[in-house]
Amino acid sequence: AQKVTQAQTEISVVEKEDVTLDCVYETRDTTYYLFWYKQPPSGELVFLIRRNSFDEQNEISGRYSWNFQKSTSSFNFTITASQVVDSAVYFCARNAGNMLTFGGGTRLMVKP
Amino acid sequence: DTGVSQNPRHKITKRGQNVTFRCDPISEHNRLYWYRQTLGQGPEFLTYFQNEAQLEKSRLLSDRFSAERPKGSFSTLEIQRTEQGDSAMYLCASSFSETGLGEQYFGPGTRLTVT
Repeated sequence: AQKVTQAQTEISVVEKEDVTLDCVYETRDTTYYLFWYKQPPSGELVFLIRRNSFDEQNEISGRYSWNFQKSTSSFNFTITASQVVDSAVYFCARNAGNMLTFGGGTRLMVKP
Repeated sequence: DTGVSQNPRHKITKRGQNVTFRCDPISEHNRLYWYRQTLGQGPEFLTYFQNEAQLEKSRLLSDRFSAERPKGSFSTLEIQRTEQGDSAMYLCASSFSETGLGEQYFGPGTRLTVT
């Protein structure tokens, strides 16, 4: 199986700090998709972004930004000026055919 | 757009009993997925439907598990002769895609506890 690794199991920051969540993936495919999901304490996975492997442009959405580096097989996620509501478990995923393979998740705790 | 819904939200059952979960996808979505998530882990793929056809099944899906999507709309996941190891959150997701892979939107999950 082509793995997705999120080496940081838990990160704790103080509100307004910037934080980067790392994601490294394995792939033997030339075309693939990468995803980030947020799982707040309520439990429901919330879709954040999908990125096609052909599109290496970095993306910014409000306080969120994503850095896709195909050369290092990484797809890192940065939250700028973190807020308490950002506290959640964040999952990185890639597709294997039509299914998603998820990393183990990074628990982010933002303290006031 | 009412999102993906799942019922029940919680199920407690005794070992050996059968359980059935239901998933209602977003109405225009043609693809439906089942995943299982245990505590502290990421979701793991179980099976996937395109319309009413079950196109892929994980090795995790033992012969005690069966999933259906009879009319290409809602889906059910049945676990027969439940075991304690089946305790997990069962997640349903749906997407729309004619080619490539669309974004998968997840429901709130059904938490199964087998005692």
